[in-house]
Amino acid sequence: DTAVSQTPKYLVTQMGNDKSIKCEQNLGHDTMYWYKQDSKKFLKIMFSYNNKELIINETVPNRFSPKSPDKAHLNLHINSLELGDSAVYFCASSLLAGPTPGELFFGEGSRLTVL
Amino acid sequence: GENVEQHPSTLSVQEGDSAVIKCTYSDSASNYFPWYKQELGKRPQLIIDIRSNVGEKKDQRIAVTLNKTAKHFSLHITETQPEDSAVYFCAASTPAGGADGLTFGKGTHLIIQP
Repeated sequence: DTAVSQTPKYLVTQMGNDKSIKCEQNLGHDTMYWYKQDSKKFLKIMFSYNNKELIINETVPNRFSPKSPDKAHLNLHINSLELGDSAVYFCASSLLAGPTPGELFFGEGSRLTVL
Repeated sequence: GENVEQHPSTLSVQEGDSAVIKCTYSDSASNYFPWYKQELGKRPQLIIDIRSNVGEKKDQRIAVTLNKTAKHFSLHITETQPEDSAVYFCAASTPAGGADGLTFGKGTHLIIQP
């Protein structure tokens, strides 16, 4: 009965490849997010998405693209992987968004290693 | 956009002592300030939060204080225990119009010495 689940948990790949990470939430939340956590543990938002709007952090390269087939899923697709993309990627969801957000529920994280 | 500064980056305290982590934020429109705890290899989880209409909130051994005028908020942990060892993140809500969601501080690695 995991609230936010993401797969795979570990991903090792070569530079230049394309990969995807899947995320699903069963909390009935309207808003989902992708965060990147680098080796120094910094948590940085990449995207937020609800039924109406995708908001992209302007610092995220366009090689990263979120895809949402429905409100319970927000997948992350990465093209032409680079060494600097190595990090832990966390999916999260919340009931509320904007100026009055609610608690963020995080997935377990997906550790991406680019060789 | 919002900028959140967090100090210290590492904090070591003796078991049973208190720990205090401080954060400042830049956007006076921010109105929601949660604290997340991340144990080694685990996901971040909410431990306490405060909204801008409240100055202090307490939950057992943890408390958070907010000073809106100075734009800073703090996490206080009393009677620290080994299981309190983790990385703690403060965060502030990002007003609509930017990258929606929370802006996190850079984290504080809290070490509880036996």
